[in-house]
Amino acid sequence: GAGVSQSPRYKVAKRGQDVALRCDPISGHVSLFWYQQALGQGPEFLTYFQNEAQLDKSGLPSDRFFAERPEGSVSTLKIQRTQQEDSAVYLCASSLYRGSPNTGELFFGEGSRLTVL
Amino acid sequence: AQSVAQPEDQVNVAEGNPLTVKCTYSVSGNPYLFWYVQYPNRGLQFLLKYITGDNLVKGSYGFEAEFNKSQTSFHLKKPSALVSDSALYFCAVRVMDSNYQLIWGAGTKLIIKP
Repeated sequence: GAGVSQSPRYKVAKRGQDVALRCDPISGHVSLFWYQQALGQGPEFLTYFQNEAQLDKSGLPSDRFFAERPEGSVSTLKIQRTQQEDSAVYLCASSLYRGSPNTGELFFGEGSRLTVL
Repeated sequence: AQSVAQPEDQVNVAEGNPLTVKCTYSVSGNPYLFWYVQYPNRGLQFLLKYITGDNLVKGSYGFEAEFNKSQTSFHLKKPSALVSDSALYFCAVRVMDSNYQLIWGAGTKLIIKP
């Protein structure tokens, strides 16, 4: 597709359930980011991939959060044993370049809104 | 600590009037600054960036931003607002010693009234 695609757009999970959120970046984009956006807040960095390598996962809030990008294109963010505080919009962004903020812009998907009951 | 502040939760402007959305930052060294816009049910879109050079940066949709080092500000401006400019605007700054990580402001809702 022409842009970054995320699915599902909306997910309601019961507390304790595992969820998987998918991101299809723009074809050929090297860099891929996951952000968490709480209501009324700006995006908070979760993790960064350069091709298939996860170079930074310092923003993942706990070991219940796991991300992968095995072939350097599609990425999945998995949250195990979801908690109410995990409720947020999860944003995926990609960029053509390594170290995108220095040179290019980020292209964002529409986000996946997770609600944990 | 590095931070970005958008002091206004909401800005209301009449169509045709100039608009300003404020952003201040705290970062050591030379900042890399960005503005993004989020329209309803759409992903964040890049508007403009300041890396170096002229303090006045021009971007998409007629927006511009002025980098002011002494005031540590990077306010977003447009000479004549359109109703279609109504959206959520985010300022971001690159984390020092990182070539990819950004710190984001909380966002400012811009409402343009006809």
